[in-house]
Amino acid sequence: KAGVTQTPRYLIKTRGQQVTLSCSPISGHRSVSWYQQTPGQGLQFLFEYFSETQRNKGNFPGRFSGRQFSNSRSEMNVSTLELGDSALYLCASSSTGGSQETQYFGPGTRLLVL
Amino acid sequence: EDQVTQSPEALRLQEGESSSLNCSYTVSGLRGLFWYRQDPGKGPEFLFTLYSAGEEKEKERLKATLTKKESFLHITAPKPEDSATYLCAVQAGGSRLTFGEGTQLTVNP
Repeated sequence: KAGVTQTPRYLIKTRGQQVTLSCSPISGHRSVSWYQQTPGQGLQFLFEYFSETQRNKGNFPGRFSGRQFSNSRSEMNVSTLELGDSALYLCASSSTGGSQETQYFGPGTRLLVL
Repeated sequence: EDQVTQSPEALRLQEGESSSLNCSYTVSGLRGLFWYRQDPGKGPEFLFTLYSAGEEKEKERLKATLTKKESFLHITAPKPEDSATYLCAVQAGGSRLTFGEGTQLTVNP
């Protein structure tokens, strides 16, 4: 079974621009969660989508948004980029996103904001 | 607020030198504790899930244990290929995982 895929793998943007990242979950998985990983803050939860609905949200500003499509693929968008948004963005999928379910991570998208 | 603290931050071992990594947590209503391994430039790779105090799981040279306040990842006779950052995460409800900062393990040949 193919794993979680993320595109693009690397991005360079400048301050003020916006960016869209894509995540395709493991086949049959309907829950997709997004995390931001930085050296100073570690892995932090952004949000989770299930059946095209945002079900859970972390403590990030409204510039961070996402959506999920009917095929469970998900996108996240960051508007008005700031230098501090430079990070590895990871998505993880699980069957239903229920408690105790294992989440499987993709390889991540490395975003550099200049 | 859920909190996870991992120690040590970094650990250097000689090949064959066994050791343990610690994950202390504060969470209201633990549903699961997860261990992941992360290699540089890659996403976290799932290792174990522990659900209740007293539970243990093993995989090759790794063994994870869980108490009511902490989890240990024991590494027996490590090899250089075990070098990675090991991440611990807790889940209290829903899908949200709260991660620790990780332990960077280096195993020298």
